[in-house]
Amino acid sequence: AQKITQTQPGMFVQEKEAVTLDCTYDTSDPSYGLFWYKQPSSGEMIFLIYQGSYDQQNATEGRYSLNFQKARKSANLVISASQLGDSAMYFCATAPVYQGGKLIFGQGTELSVKP
Amino acid sequence: DSGVTQTPKHLITATGQRVTLRCSPRSGDLSVYWYQQSLDQGLQFLIQYYNGEERAKGNILERFSAQQFPDLHSELNLSSLELGDSALYFCASSGGKPASYEQYFGPGTRLTVT
Repeated sequence: AQKITQTQPGMFVQEKEAVTLDCTYDTSDPSYGLFWYKQPSSGEMIFLIYQGSYDQQNATEGRYSLNFQKARKSANLVISASQLGDSAMYFCATAPVYQGGKLIFGQGTELSVKP
Repeated sequence: DSGVTQTPKHLITATGQRVTLRCSPRSGDLSVYWYQQSLDQGLQFLIQYYNGEERAKGNILERFSAQQFPDLHSELNLSSLELGDSALYFCASSGGKPASYEQYFGPGTRLTVT
C-alpha cells in the first residue's frame, strides 16, 4: 500500500523568500512517481512537478524544485522567491509508474504568502 | 487551462436522486481517472479507465459507476445520493505521450446534495 504524509497543515512565508513543503512517502512499488499539485481557493488542481523514482537528478520546473531523497523517502517541494499568488493548498502524491497509476494524496499543506 | 474539461461545474440535487458528471480528457490522453475530494476524506481515487476499459478501482461506492466511451470521454454516474456524497469530483487524464505519467486535472464538479 502507498501512503503520503504531509506534516505541516499550514505554513507562512514572506514574499520573495524560499519555502520548503515537507512530504514523506511509503510505497511498495518498485518504480514510482512523486507529484506535487497546487490547489488555489478557486478549487482547481494544478500540476506543478513530477519526479520519477529512478531519476538521478532532482526535478525542477521554474521556481519549483523537488528535493528527492530516496533513502529517507522524502520528496519535499521547494518554492523559490515566493509570490502572493503562491498562497494555496499544496498536495504531495505518489503513483506507481506504469500506464495509468492512481494517485495517492497526502492531506495537504496550506501555504500563506505574506506581503 | 489543463485541457481537461468537466461539466457541469456545479450541481445541486436532493437525496435519493441520480446525477451524471461528464469529463473530456486532454487531446491524445487515453487514461481517465475520477477522484473525490471531501473535507473528511481528503482526495480519494475512485476509478480509472484506459482506452475504454476499466483499469483500476479505488474507494468507489456500489451506488457509483463510470464508463469511458469510444471518443474517450468519460461519465461518472452517482445514484441514490446521500448527504455525504457532497464533494468536489475531479476528472484527470494522462498518457498522451510515451513515458508521460503526469495527471492533469479538470476544474472539477462541485456536487451538493440537500
